[in-house]
Amino acid sequence: AQTVTQSQPEMSVQEAETVTLSCTYDTSESDYYLFWYKQPPSRQMILVIRQEAYKQQNATENRFSVNFQKAAKSFSLKISDSQLGDAAMYFCAYRSPFGNDYKLSFGAGTTVTVRA
Amino acid sequence: GAVVSQHPSWVICKSGTSVKIECRSLDFQATTMFWYRQFPKQSLMLMATSNEGSKATYEQGVEKDKFLINHASLTLSTLTVTSAHPEDSSFYICSARKGVNTEAFFGQGTRLTVV
Repeated sequence: AQTVTQSQPEMSVQEAETVTLSCTYDTSESDYYLFWYKQPPSRQMILVIRQEAYKQQNATENRFSVNFQKAAKSFSLKISDSQLGDAAMYFCAYRSPFGNDYKLSFGAGTTVTVRA
Repeated sequence: GAVVSQHPSWVICKSGTSVKIECRSLDFQATTMFWYRQFPKQSLMLMATSNEGSKATYEQGVEKDKFLINHASLTLSTLTVTSAHPEDSSFYICSARKGVNTEAFFGQGTRLTVV
């Protein structure tokens, strides 16, 4: 199984500021998918952003953007103009395009706190 | 959209009893559903992959006789925790894939407390 590492258990950011969450992964595959999921206090998992490895362009979704460095196997998430509603646990996830199950491998998560 | 609904959202049961959790894809057919377990402030641990019309595939270390999974239709998978014990208390989450090349959509989770 692929290993996904999130080295920051907790991050704190001032409202309206920017925070970057790190994620690295280990794989021998050349094609795969990467995701960032948000889990707020309600514990509902919400997809934040998705990146296909064959695409060189970094994915963006409004205030959320990624820095995908394929050679370094790094996939960081930047949250710009942080809002109180961004407070949540964020999970980085990897998925292989092969195999019938398409299982997700999750990192340990990073808890983001937003200070008013 | 793609909505996955879990029921119940929370359940308390007595030790030794069994409890069933349902996972439904409301607006799409899901040939594959996944069941996860999550402890507080920890990551999601995949328990099993549920395929419609066939036996579930369990991850290493997960007791298949303890956690019974049934995927009888393209919109419903169930997880039954048999002879529950306090150590089975946890947050259980299901997800479903809409198609071959799409992301997974998650249910809202079920908090199980065994007393």
